[in-house]
Amino acid sequence: EAQVTQNPRYLITVTGKKLTVTCSQNMNHEYMSWYRQDPGLGLRQIYYSMNVEVTDKGDVPEGYKVSRKEKRNFPLILESPSPNQTSLYFCASSLSNLVLSDNEQFFGPGTRLTVL
Amino acid sequence: ILNVEQSPQSLHVQEGDSTNFTCSFPSSNFYALHWYRWETAKSPEALFVMTLNGDEKKKGRISATLNTKEGYSYLYIKGSQPEDSATYLCASRTGTASKLTFGTGTRLQVTL
Repeated sequence: EAQVTQNPRYLITVTGKKLTVTCSQNMNHEYMSWYRQDPGLGLRQIYYSMNVEVTDKGDVPEGYKVSRKEKRNFPLILESPSPNQTSLYFCASSLSNLVLSDNEQFFGPGTRLTVL
Repeated sequence: ILNVEQSPQSLHVQEGDSTNFTCSFPSSNFYALHWYRWETAKSPEALFVMTLNGDEKKKGRISATLNTKEGYSYLYIKGSQPEDSATYLCASRTGTASKLTFGTGTRLQVTL
């Protein structure tokens, strides 16, 4: 089944404890992206990647890192989480770079993160 | 950052009613407009991607129109059913930026 998976789905952690949220897609998509969803703010893009080893900042990248060593995986790293990073996180992928064609994005199931 | 706005914020209709809601976006350097359907406890699911002024797209009872000159898109649902209850998100992309800017969504509730 074609899908985007994220792990963990739920995580409660403490300030300063490094964590990684994994994202994987099995559709051979080139483009992958991370968003956070906060009440009243809509989905905001954190980072995106147009292909392996190509990543770029979105609108709210502060406090996050990403890597794209393989096409299928795009982990989101919080080196030193803080309470303002408590949010619902979505990973998404699409067949190609959004600039080249407007393929729809496929979203993962979401990761609800709480930082105490 | 672009300002994408959706109205109304929420909507409550009866089964069988037809309804519509609006997505407004800055019209300069416009490239594409996406609509997504987002059910509670699930992930957003793509409905339409629209790029041309005057575009109309349809999927079953749901359709959308696009006006890029004035910067708005309408989503229509004909004969609403309880399973249509969800939040409907729109997102626009401008210029060469490889990213989408999302609105905050319209939350639709359809009751029997």
